[in-house]
Amino acid sequence: QVQLVESGGGLVKPGGSLRLSCAASGFTFSDYYMSWIRQAPGKGLEWVSYISSSGSTIYYADSVKGRFTISRDNAKNSLYLQMNSLRAEDTAVYYCARGPGAMVTFDYWGQGTLVTVSS
Amino acid sequence: SSELTQDPAVSVALGQTVRITCQGDSLRSYYASWYQQKPGQAPVLVIYGKNNRPSGIPDRFSGSSSGNTASLTITGAQAEDEADYYCNSRDSSGNHLYVFGTGTKVTVL
Repeated sequence: QVQLVESGGGLVKPGGSLRLSCAASGFTFSDYYMSWIRQAPGKGLEWVSYISSSGSTIYYADSVKGRFTISRDNAKNSLYLQMNSLRAEDTAVYYCARGPGAMVTFDYWGQGTLVTVSS
Repeated sequence: SSELTQDPAVSVALGQTVRITCQGDSLRSYYASWYQQKPGQAPVLVIYGKNNRPSGIPDRFSGSSSGNTASLTITGAQAEDEADYYCNSRDSSGNHLYVFGTGTKVTVL
């Protein structure tokens, strides 16, 4: 079965950096687009970034553009999110999700990893 | 980026029908997908495309769309359907971005 397991979250000071990882299994990772989606405490979902199956196409939400970098290693079935210049408003649970698919779907999600930006 | 607007909360009696709506300009061009999220859990895809359910999603969940509005209907709501529901679609600006709705809390009475 499809499994997505995030890691790397934690407490970081404003202006600091953190790298999130997502380990994928149960499907052919290199065939799928992958995304990061976040949810601030008590708030709604916010799409952050996606990367194409080969890694050649990448897009970011305006709120993180220039600060976050998405990447993938298809040989290791892994997705990454390098987060720099972190702000308090980046505090959220970060989900790894498979997609977007052909019909705007994010069909499988990990359980998320919490990133807290605070001094 | 465009926005997708949902009613903050709706309630439904056990066994009755509830419709959740999602409004936004991008829905005139792109399908909406719908996700169910229970407290402390990751979202789960329940409806995508014109009206498609992933494997394992009960057929009491259905989707529809008209103009700038997408709808998720739960016919015969069960206690376990109490959750937050989010729609999502592509941004209408053509920037290859994605947006989520503001979310609807469904309470089953």
